[in-house]
Amino acid sequence: GAVVSQHPSWVICKSGTSVKIECRSLDFQATTMFWYRQFPKQSLMLMATSNEGSKATYEQGVEKDKFLINHASLTLSTLTVTSAHPEDSSFYICSAARTSAGGIGELFFGEGSRLTVL
Amino acid sequence: GNSVTQMEGPVTLSEEAFLTINCTYTATGYPSLFWYVQYPGEGLQLLLKATKADDKGSNKGFEATYRKETTSFHLEKGSVQVSDSAVYFCALSDGGGGFKTIFGAGTRLFVKA
Repeated sequence: GAVVSQHPSWVICKSGTSVKIECRSLDFQATTMFWYRQFPKQSLMLMATSNEGSKATYEQGVEKDKFLINHASLTLSTLTVTSAHPEDSSFYICSAARTSAGGIGELFFGEGSRLTVL
Repeated sequence: GNSVTQMEGPVTLSEEAFLTINCTYTATGYPSLFWYVQYPGEGLQLLLKATKADDKGSNKGFEATYRKETTSFHLEKGSVQVSDSAVYFCALSDGGGGFKTIFGAGTRLFVKA
């Protein structure tokens, strides 16, 4: 089946540094990927929609300069948390949309990346 | 805007008990509805889905029926197992095939042997 992989699965960084998280679709091409943030024991909050070859679409309240998204190829989207602070500590999850003939498709989720900012 | 409301957890059941997790939604148009499951330490997995009214999604003994008249998509299983212990998320995506998915808060299920 389709697989979406995130890397790193966990990262610890110092406050003020930037962290990049990669999301790859391993066996299909994904023109659209999504980035979510999940706080402990809470639901997934959609941060942005990442479209290959164009700018990401951010949800209301998400700082686009803080959370930089790049979708340079059909199998890779990256989320960079710039100048990270402790309040950015969270579980970040990506998903990739696989479409088939007729536009019907399915979302596949990565394993998530846990960011801890000290 | 679109939203999903599901029952708060945690839900604690004994093995072989009947499970219901309620989910209602608010949406414009004709959304697709999903249940995702997140096992401890793992990512989200699609459990089942329904794309139109009166559709029933089913998988691994779980079922949910898309009820447009009550805007609900309740998850049920006749006999739960310890291995079903996980967090269950109800979700909807817009009907335009855009895949933008909104999740409910999640319901944690504990099944005791």
